[in-house]
Parts: sequence; C-alpha cells; structure tokens
Amino acid sequence: QQQVKQSPQSLIVQKGGISIINCAYENTAFDYFPWYQQFPGKGPALLIAIRPDVSEKKEGRFTISFNKSAKQFSLHIMDSQPGDSATYFCAASRIEPRDTGRRALTFGSGTRLQVQP
Amino acid sequence: GAGVSQSPSNKVTEKGKDVELRCDPISGHTALYWYRQSLGQGLEFLIYFQGNSAPDKSGLPSDRFSAERTGGSVSTLTIQRTQQEDSAVYLCASSPSGGAYEQYFGPGTRLTVT
Repeated sequence: QQQVKQSPQSLIVQKGGISIINCAYENTAFDYFPWYQQFPGKGPALLIAIRPDVSEKKEGRFTISFNKSAKQFSLHIMDSQPGDSATYFCAASRIEPRDTGRRALTFGSGTRLQVQP
Repeated sequence: GAGVSQSPSNKVTEKGKDVELRCDPISGHTALYWYRQSLGQGLEFLIYFQGNSAPDKSGLPSDRFSAERTGGSVSTLTIQRTQQEDSAVYLCASSPSGGAYEQYFGPGTRLTVT
C-alpha cells in the first residue's frame, strides 16, 4: 500500500516534443503528490506538486494531471528541451500515522528522460 | 536563499571505519529528514527530527546508524563500523515544519565503502 508505481523507466523525446511520465498509487491516505527532478550528482529538486482536490496544475511548461478515482497522476513536459534531460521521480506523501508528525514521502522508481536536440 | 547543504559531497572509507555526514538545513526549517538513495532500494527513510521533539528513528537499518541534531539546526548522521552494503547516496531534506508538505533536498553525500 506504500508503493508508487512509475512508468516508463526511460524516455527519449525530441526537442520541442511532449514528455509524459505516469504514476499510480494505492494508498488513499496520500494527500500530496510532488514531482522531483534530479540531475546526476545532485539531490532531488522539487519541481511541481498537486493535492488530490485538484485535477490539474500547470507551472510554465510543466503540468500535473491528477485522476483521483483512478489513483493515477502524470507529469507532462511541454516543448521539451535538452536541459530537461534528468531523472524524474513522482512521489506521494501522507502524515505518518504513528503520531510522530513526520510526513512520510514515498518515491516512484524514477524515469530517466533524455531530450535529443 | 541558501538551500540545504551537505558535506562531504563524496566519502570513500574502508570497511569497519566510522563515518560522519553533515547536513545544514534551510534556515528556519524545523523539520529535518535523512534518507538513503540506492539503485536497488530507491529512497529509504532513515530518521526524522522536528524541533525539540524526540526523533523518529524508525527507519534506521541497524544500531550502527545514529544521528543527532544540535541546536535545532545542523544534523550529523554517524555510521559506525561501515559495511559495503552501506554504500549509497545519503540525502538530507528539510521542511518548514513537521507536517509541512514540501521537503527540500540537499545535494547528498555519496558514500563508498571499500
């Protein structure tokens, strides 16, 4: 119930194209769904996030689509650029039920995106 | 403003040695997390600090691992008697408060145990 399943594992897109990464979850207690971008040798950087009461969120070229009934969400990168080449992680978080106040963050397995010039 | 910083960026150590990894959270953030990231295991939670509360150590894999947070700011993760399976990237993240949604990660420390 803690898993977040992410696909595809790798993705090659031409410059200017649309990159789409999909994620699915099981635990309905998740209440926050961030996407992280990670470049080699760097830590994950928070890119964009959504809460389940919203079906879509757009920030610049990045859009999250969220389907609560299907328990699925996806990241769309419009007009993909070579500088977008990185590993993308979807994630889901919830307050840890053991009353520690910790927000438990579960990452997907990652998608390695390569944008070709 | 300054993000989360970690040091060292890379650490190579011999099996059986102790190592200390440091994390400087974003100023004013009261919550601090340590994670381990490895190819086969994904992102693994280790320990959580929030203000002056007792830390949540539920993710520490063995008693060789410990962490402290001094003055509610800087944190040190210590691994005693390192083993080859400890090789991974150790990430620190901070958050404005315990229940806050956002977690901001540092660049990580790549630990290699030979």
